Amino acid sequence: GDSVTQMEGPVTLSEEAFLTINCTYTATGYPSLFWYVQYPGEGLQLLLKATKADDKGSNKGFEATYRKETTSFHLEKGSVQVSDSAVYFCALSSHTGRRALTFGSGTRLQVQP
Amino acid sequence: DGGITQSPKYLFRKEGQNVTLSCEQNLNHDAMYWYRQDPGQGLRLIYYSQIVNDFQKGDIAEGYSVSREKKESFPLTVTSAQKNPTAFYLCASTLTPAGTMNTGELFFGEGSRLTVL
Repeated sequence: GDSVTQMEGPVTLSEEAFLTINCTYTATGYPSLFWYVQYPGEGLQLLLKATKADDKGSNKGFEATYRKETTSFHLEKGSVQVSDSAVYFCALSSHTGRRALTFGSGTRLQVQP
Repeated sequence: DGGITQSPKYLFRKEGQNVTLSCEQNLNHDAMYWYRQDPGQGLRLIYYSQIVNDFQKGDIAEGYSVSREKKESFPLTVTSAQKNPTAFYLCASTLTPAGTMNTGELFFGEGSRLTVL
């Protein structure tokens, strides 16, 4: 079945450091891919998405590129801020499977001033 | 403002009791979902519904039940058959159901934290 694998956290960075959170997936066909963010005590919010190979999703300085050849969708940001501290979830929506998103385990990011 | 409302935010249950978590949305979305979140395990799908009066089991449906009598409402009952119910429960909805080529954004409520005493 479908699955999403994320790097384990927590990831601890200093402010203005470069961020990469790895995400790889297994799915039938060509799924849509998503990054969601969860701030403390809240539900999840969509951060960015990509629906086909080589698409780049971007939002709030975050970027991720849909790589079909490596089945990956790594999240990057050039300069993190303390306010980026949150849990980040990679997810996929398979176009041939069930009609619900499959989420990774989440990666906690802690940014120190 | 439009959105998803989950209640209660915190709930305590004694062993052997059934409890119902409320999820209401005023976004006019057809599809609704319940996920369970445990530390280090991400989100796991309990049930989902694409349309009124229809719903499907997710990956961990045992010990849970749902109903979808109205488009706006998708309550989740945690029954006494659920062996380890202490968790954070998230409800979500979307206009364009997941699994289609035009999958849209999933909107989440703020969650309900259930603790079994």
